[in-house]
Amino acid sequence: ETGVTQSPTHLIKTRGQQVTLRCSSQSGHNTVSWYQQALGQGPQFIFQYYREEENGRGNFPPRFSGLQFPNYSSELNVNALELDDSALYLCASSPRTSGGISYNEQFFGPGTRLTVL
Amino acid sequence: QKEVEQDPGPLSVPEGAIVSLNCTYSNSAFQYFMWYRQYSRKGPELLMYTYSSGNKEDGRFTAQVDKSSKYISLFIRDSQPSDSATYLCAMSWGGGYNKLIFGAGTRLAVHP
Repeated sequence: ETGVTQSPTHLIKTRGQQVTLRCSSQSGHNTVSWYQQALGQGPQFIFQYYREEENGRGNFPPRFSGLQFPNYSSELNVNALELDDSALYLCASSPRTSGGISYNEQFFGPGTRLTVL
Repeated sequence: QKEVEQDPGPLSVPEGAIVSLNCTYSNSAFQYFMWYRQYSRKGPELLMYTYSSGNKEDGRFTAQVDKSSKYISLFIRDSQPSDSATYLCAMSWGGGYNKLIFGAGTRLAVHP
């Protein structure tokens, strides 16, 4: 069974640029969530995708957007990067039944460390 | 006030000690409680998952949930240097989408 994978591992951007981060969910998992973890803090929920649609969003501005693909993989896009966007970005996957009942166990990938200069 | 409070530590213990890690929370609607372990510059690894109140044991780890006090704990018996990591508590309401609310994490160092 393949776990959650993320790419790239590290990324350095300058303020104002745009970035795309990628995530492949664990085999059999159809729900993907993205989190931002600042240094010394716990992860903060950005949004969740299920059936290729955003299914819930945290307190992040619209310049944070995402996609989910038919194979359940996902992208996180951040436009107009700001210095405070420097963080570890984590993707987590979880299964959901065909009836839409979500499972609360989420399994995380290794993260992408984004540095904005 | 944060929804989930967790003492950031650091907590330093000798090998073999019993470690107690705790979180308090303010939202009585939380139903699902998790503990994650995170090594430096890695993603969180799910250690324990419990629903509602009660205890759950898995090897050297025991998770306790006291919903009446809005308090959860993780106990590590016979701690090992390999247990040195940051421990994050997380919780959610369940329902349509399962957003996790995390504590800030407690750094644990187990020295030989």
